[in-house]
Amino acid sequence: DQQVKQNSPSLSVQEGRISILNCDYTNSMFDYFLWYKKYPAEGPTFLISISSIKDKNEDGRFTVFLNKSAKHLSLHIVPSQPGDSAVYFCAASASYSGGGADGLTFGKGTHLIIQP
Amino acid sequence: EPEVTQTPSHQVTQMGQEVILRCVPISNHLYFYWYRQILGQKVEFLVSFYNNEISEKSEIFDDQFSVERPDGSNFTLKIRSTKLEDSAMYFCASSVGGWGTEAFFGQGTRLTVV
Repeated sequence: DQQVKQNSPSLSVQEGRISILNCDYTNSMFDYFLWYKKYPAEGPTFLISISSIKDKNEDGRFTVFLNKSAKHLSLHIVPSQPGDSAVYFCAASASYSGGGADGLTFGKGTHLIIQP
Repeated sequence: EPEVTQTPSHQVTQMGQEVILRCVPISNHLYFYWYRQILGQKVEFLVSFYNNEISEKSEIFDDQFSVERPDGSNFTLKIRSTKLEDSAMYFCASSVGGWGTEAFFGQGTRLTVV
């Protein structure tokens, strides 16, 4: 049961252009969302997060948009740089367990390739 | 910059043997996690640990798995009797708070069961 879906296994974008990575979720209890970036042989690195009380969060070149009614979020990277080439994971968690140490549910990831 | 460190980076073990994967979380973090990623699949949550006890665990985390914080710095994952399907990358993570705070991941331990 894929509660977090990243339907594009890969995405190729030219350097300097905008990269848009998409993520859909099915569990309406999710209320905190994160994006992680992962290079081969390394652990996921936190990029940016958003809680369900917001619809946008921005940090430098990275912006995450949340559409709760559509259960959809996206990560925008602008401008895209060669170092952005990596696998990007969308992750979600729910606060229903009372604010405890909730595990994250990950999507399968999108491999972003930035072309020179 | 503080980071989560994991040892060893690669562990090869025979089926049926016990393995212990070790992690040193970031020092001021209070919540600790183990995740795994089987080759070609997504990162999956195994267990979370807070205040010296398991807070949440997934269906994957059965009786073959256990976690421990034996001292003030280490956080370990033990697999009692490894199976071939336990071969995966195991990631430790920690966070300063629970829900609503980001988890920081270690570089992972690649476990190969032969």
